Amino acid sequence: GQQLNQSPQSMFIQEGEDVSMNCTSSSIFNTWLWYKQDPGEGPVLLIALYKAGELTSNGRLTAQFGITRKDSFLNISASIPSDVGIYFCAGQISGGSNYKLTFGKGTLLTVNP
Amino acid sequence: NAGVMQNPRHLVRRRGQEARLRCSPMKGHSHVYWYRQLPEEGLKFMVYLQKENIIDESGMPKERFSAEFPKEGPSILRIQQVVRGDSAAYFCASSLKTGNSGANVLTFGAGSRLTVL
Repeated sequence: GQQLNQSPQSMFIQEGEDVSMNCTSSSIFNTWLWYKQDPGEGPVLLIALYKAGELTSNGRLTAQFGITRKDSFLNISASIPSDVGIYFCAGQISGGSNYKLTFGKGTLLTVNP
Repeated sequence: NAGVMQNPRHLVRRRGQEARLRCSPMKGHSHVYWYRQLPEEGLKFMVYLQKENIIDESGMPKERFSAEFPKEGPSILRIQQVVRGDSAAYFCASSLKTGNSGANVLTFGAGSRLTVL
């Protein structure tokens, strides 16, 4: 089956620093999604990428859909304490099974004030 | 406009008991999905339902697990004779529609955390 490798597994940074995390896949996806999960909550969609090479921003977040369609990265600039949480990448294929998201294992981000 | 509502948020069961998890989709959404998250793992697809129909249950264990989405009321994920390995967070998601082209935006609930003693 499809697998996503997400790295790093965890990050400890100082407030104000920039953060970068990425996902690679053994197979192609048509859509890449980045979610954030706060403790005890469900994942919340941050950014969706629909085209290979696409670069999309949402406030301090920037994500890119790799040209090969097998990878994506997420950058967070000027981190703040409320950025703490687990960040998941997820891949989605087109067609009849486009509800089956494949999730990475997550990147746990800790921001020291 | 309430989001996806799940209850209970936390459930503790002893081995052999039954667990019932409920999910009310977002208003206007008729497609419901259940995902499971084991500790320190990503979410994994279990089952996709529309009203009164199971569309895809390929991710759900064949035994002890069942799901339904009746004409009236919430979707139910039922786990019979729970074992310790069933301890996990169970997330429900809903969407407006799933077409055969393009992306399908799923909105997740806050999850139900099952602990089996």
